[in-house]
Formats: sequence, C-alpha cells, structure tokens
Amino acid sequence: QSALTQPASVSGSPGQSITISCTGTSSDVGGYNYVSWYQQHPGKAPKLMIYEVSNRPSGVSNRFSGSKSGNTASLTISGLQAEDEADYYCSSYTSSSTPYYVFGTGTKVTVL
Amino acid sequence: EVQLVESGGGLVQPGGSLRLSCAASGFTFSSYWMSWVRQAPGKGLEWVANIKQDGSEKYYVDSVKGRFTISRDNAKNSLYLQMNSLRAEDTAVYYCARFFGAANVDYWGQGTLVTVSS
Repeated sequence: QSALTQPASVSGSPGQSITISCTGTSSDVGGYNYVSWYQQHPGKAPKLMIYEVSNRPSGVSNRFSGSKSGNTASLTISGLQAEDEADYYCSSYTSSSTPYYVFGTGTKVTVL
Repeated sequence: EVQLVESGGGLVQPGGSLRLSCAASGFTFSSYWMSWVRQAPGKGLEWVANIKQDGSEKYYVDSVKGRFTISRDNAKNSLYLQMNSLRAEDTAVYYCARFFGAANVDYWGQGTLVTVSS
C-alpha cells in the first residue's frame, strides 16, 4: 500500500490561511469518509486535529478545518500562528491492504 | 486521564528479537481497538499493526507479517508487540495508540525507540 500523497512543504505568514492536500484513490480517501489529520511537533507524539474528514476533536482550535473532494482531502489552517509550525499527516481507511489504514507522506508547515 | 506508556525499546542486533509493552490507564482498555504505529528517524508515520478489543482480529502491514505479533492482555490493561527477525529498516520510534471511532487515533504514547544495528 503506497502512502497518500501530500506536498512536502507549505508555508505562510502569520494570519494567512494555508491548505494542505492529501491525494489517494477510490480505495481509500475517495471511497470512505474516514480521513483524519494529525499534527506533530518535533520530538513529540502526533495529535489528532481532524477526524472523519471534517470533525474537530474537543480542544482543537476552529482555525483548523477539513474537507474532501473525490480522491483528495484537504486541511485548511486559517489565521496561521507560530505554534502551527509542525509536520502534518493525513490518514485514511483503505480497503486495499492490511492493516487497513494508511498515512500520508507528511507536510512540513513553516510560518514565515 | 488517559495514559499510554510504552517500554521495551533499545538496541538489538539484526536478526534479534524485542518485545514492546504499552501500559494503558485512565480508560476502559478492553473497549478499544489498539494499534502500533512507527516512525523511522526523519521519516513519516507508518501503521504497523492493529488489534480488536478482544484480540480476535489482528492486522499487520506487509513488511512485518510473519515477524511481528501484536497481542493484548485486557486483565492487565496492556498491549504488546513481539518483534522477531529484526532488520535495520525496523529502526524507528514505536508508538502505542488508541483508536477512536472507525479510523482515528485520539491518544498516543510517548514512543519507544528501537534501534536495529550491529
């Protein structure tokens, strides 16, 4: 199972909005509403930011939002802040191979 | 407070074995799917294995099938990963993770580093 495709890096200035894409296939992103997004700061464990395409867990800022169109899911961060600088990974259920979940390649977000 | 605490990592020679443990607390362990996720140094995340609440279903990534075994002891609130025939490419931080809903991890451990090298 190949990893979902994400841009290697995305950058923006404080206050701006950025969008990270996550492209898969009809066997994963496009076939199920089971896309989640994780934020990971250096040396730390990942943190769930979005689940089931567009839902935010309790405690996650409403500056983070998720969506999906076809085989591509997206994470948008609005009002970019310095603390948002981190690696971001998407993940999806997949029917094509065990263990039935696949991560994206990861995107480094830089706040200029 | 939900806590997942991994242990058992370390340096092992190629071909060797290691058993990782994850002690869970703060929630009803037997009610959740659990998972091991790994991250090689400077690389991305990779699902390694998942296990159902009662241990009746287990799923592995192809690269570890036949070498790794995931298990759990609900009486001890513990998750395990037995790793045999270790290879250099298994070098990674291994995270214990709790599934929430159908496809999301809402809690992660701090990770334990496994280094496979001679």
